[in-house]
Amino acid sequence: KAGVTQTPRYLIKTRGQQVTLSCSPISGHRSVSWYQQTPGQGLQFLFEYFSETQRNKGNFPGRFSGRQFSNSRSEMNVSTLELGDSALYLCASSPDTTGRTEAFFGQGTRLTVV
Amino acid sequence: GENVEQHPSTLSVQEGDSAVIKCTYSDSASNYFPWYKQELGKRPQLIIDIRSNVGEKKDQRIAVTLNKTAKHFSLHITETQPEDSAVYFCAASSYRGSTLGRLYFGRGTQLTVWP
Repeated sequence: KAGVTQTPRYLIKTRGQQVTLSCSPISGHRSVSWYQQTPGQGLQFLFEYFSETQRNKGNFPGRFSGRQFSNSRSEMNVSTLELGDSALYLCASSPDTTGRTEAFFGQGTRLTVV
Repeated sequence: GENVEQHPSTLSVQEGDSAVIKCTYSDSASNYFPWYKQELGKRPQLIIDIRSNVGEKKDQRIAVTLNKTAKHFSLHITETQPEDSAVYFCAASSYRGSTLGRLYFGRGTQLTVWP
């Protein structure tokens, strides 16, 4: 079974631009969560989607948004990029069925804002 | 919200020794505690987890213990090997039924195993 797939792996963007990151969950997994990982702040929760609905949202500004499609694939968008948005963005999928709630991470998208 | 603290931030051990990483949490509603291993440049990998209805779980050389009263849980690695060198993260979540919800992570422990 294929793991969580994130594209692209690396991105370099200029301040003020916007970016869209993609995540394909493990087949059969219905929940997708996004995390930002930085050396200073560690792993910070962005949002969680289930059946195309945002179920939880972390403490990030409105420039960070996401969505989930009917096939459970998810995208996150960051508008008006700032230097501080440089980070590894990780997506995790979870089966979200009774007794099966483990979260499995993708390899991440490394975003650099210059 | 939940607050997870993890200690130590760095840990160096000799190959064959044991390593222990400790985490505390603040929200008594948390009931799921996974541990992740992240090697340099790679994804966090789930290595073991424990739910609040058990006190200990083992998987070969790794074990996790949970003390709900004190709100702390620990990762134990025995007979460490150089390939155990990585950053280890603890996390806590309060899942409801089949919903995992949000994971709150500790800041990580850099484990180095010297041959």
